Amino acid sequence: SQTIHQWPATLVQPVGSPLSLECTVEGTSNPNLYWYRQAAGRGLQLLFYSVGIGQISSEVPQNLSASRPQDRQFILSSKKLLLSDSGFYLCAWSGGVGGTEAFFGQGTRLTVV
Amino acid sequence: DQQVKQNSPSLSVQEGRISILNCDYTNSMFDYFLWYKKYPAEGPTFLISISSIKDKNEDGRFTVFLNKSAKHLSLHIVPSQPGDSAVYFCAASGSTGGFKTIFGAGTRLFVKA
Repeated sequence: SQTIHQWPATLVQPVGSPLSLECTVEGTSNPNLYWYRQAAGRGLQLLFYSVGIGQISSEVPQNLSASRPQDRQFILSSKKLLLSDSGFYLCAWSGGVGGTEAFFGQGTRLTVV
Repeated sequence: DQQVKQNSPSLSVQEGRISILNCDYTNSMFDYFLWYKKYPAEGPTFLISISSIKDKNEDGRFTVFLNKSAKHLSLHIVPSQPGDSAVYFCAASGSTGGFKTIFGAGTRLFVKA
């Protein structure tokens, strides 16, 4: 069966510090991978998605970047965090064709102080 | 531009009654629609979906209705139970556009005992 792992679960970082959130998927090959953010009181905003190794599409201009060094690994990064980067970050995967549901990790609560 | 809209941020329903959550979309290229349920500090979990070739899909207490001409879908929960209290996200995807899944802002459902 497929599983998705996302860590850490919570993170408190000072403004200006770097960020690295990691997500890995097991039990499937060539998944579509996604990073979403849920800001307080708001819906899920798609940040990045990837249909293959090294293929990253950015949905919104921001202080974050994403990388996919391996087929089932998706990393969300920042060189210098801003206060506005605080939120709940979710990694997700879906099958390689359209019309399938996405499966989410447990999320990372990031607080930038 | 919000392609998937959930205009009601919250909904309160008495236990045993019907809960109706609504969702509108603007992109006519979407051909697959999903509902997710989310508890605090957890990732969303898939609930039910519907393809654009159908207008209704039922799974136990949950039924999703799709009105393509109005670009509107709704989730009916009957009978509602206190355990249904959560945030419900409407989502849409299409076979074009890189298989992205776009989410609405969510509706918080409160089911009162």
